[in-house]
Amino acid sequence: GAGVSQTPSNKVTEKGKYVELRCDPISGHTALYWYRQSLGQGPEFLIYFQGTGAADDSGLPNDRFFAVRPEGSVSTLKIQRTERGDSAVYLCASSRGSAYNEQFFGPGTRLTVL
Amino acid sequence: DQQVKQNSPSLSVQEGRISILNCDYTNSMFDYFLWYKKYPAEGPTFLISISSIKDKNEDGRFTVFLNKSAKHLSLHIVPSQPGDSAVYFCAASLAQGGSEKLVFGKGTKLTVNP
Repeated sequence: GAGVSQTPSNKVTEKGKYVELRCDPISGHTALYWYRQSLGQGPEFLIYFQGTGAADDSGLPNDRFFAVRPEGSVSTLKIQRTERGDSAVYLCASSRGSAYNEQFFGPGTRLTVL
Repeated sequence: DQQVKQNSPSLSVQEGRISILNCDYTNSMFDYFLWYKKYPAEGPTFLISISSIKDKNEDGRFTVFLNKSAKHLSLHIVPSQPGDSAVYFCAASLAQGGSEKLVFGKGTKLTVNP
């Protein structure tokens, strides 16, 4: 596709459950980012992939959060034992990977933990 | 600690007039700045950017000004159009240690009245 796609668009789960959020970046983009946006806030960085490896995971809030990008394209953000505070919009972005390149965002996945 | 600050949560202007959105930052190591526009239920859309070695960048109706000594940047939209109504995020990039994550402000909601 032409842009970054994310699935599902909405996810409602119960506290304690496991969820997976998927991101399909723009074809040819080597860099992939996950951000989280809470109500009234700007997006907050979670993790950055250059190719298959996580080059910077300093934004992951705790060890319940994990992300993979096994083939250097699609990425999955995994959240274990979800908590109500995990409720937010999870945004994925991709870029060509060089410095000073714009990041292009997907529409996000709205996660609601009941 | 908010490294990128957008102190005006909202701004209302008349169609045809100039819109000026402001952004302040605290980290002098930021080397690239971007503005994103966001409509409800969509991901942020890249608007315009500026490198720290420049003080102005113009693209059609949009101009970004950077004042490094004041750690301040602004986005000018002229003339403003009703379709410009959206939330605008200022973001700063720090290319360090292989990561190019963006640090976002909280956003300014712009309303352009017909």
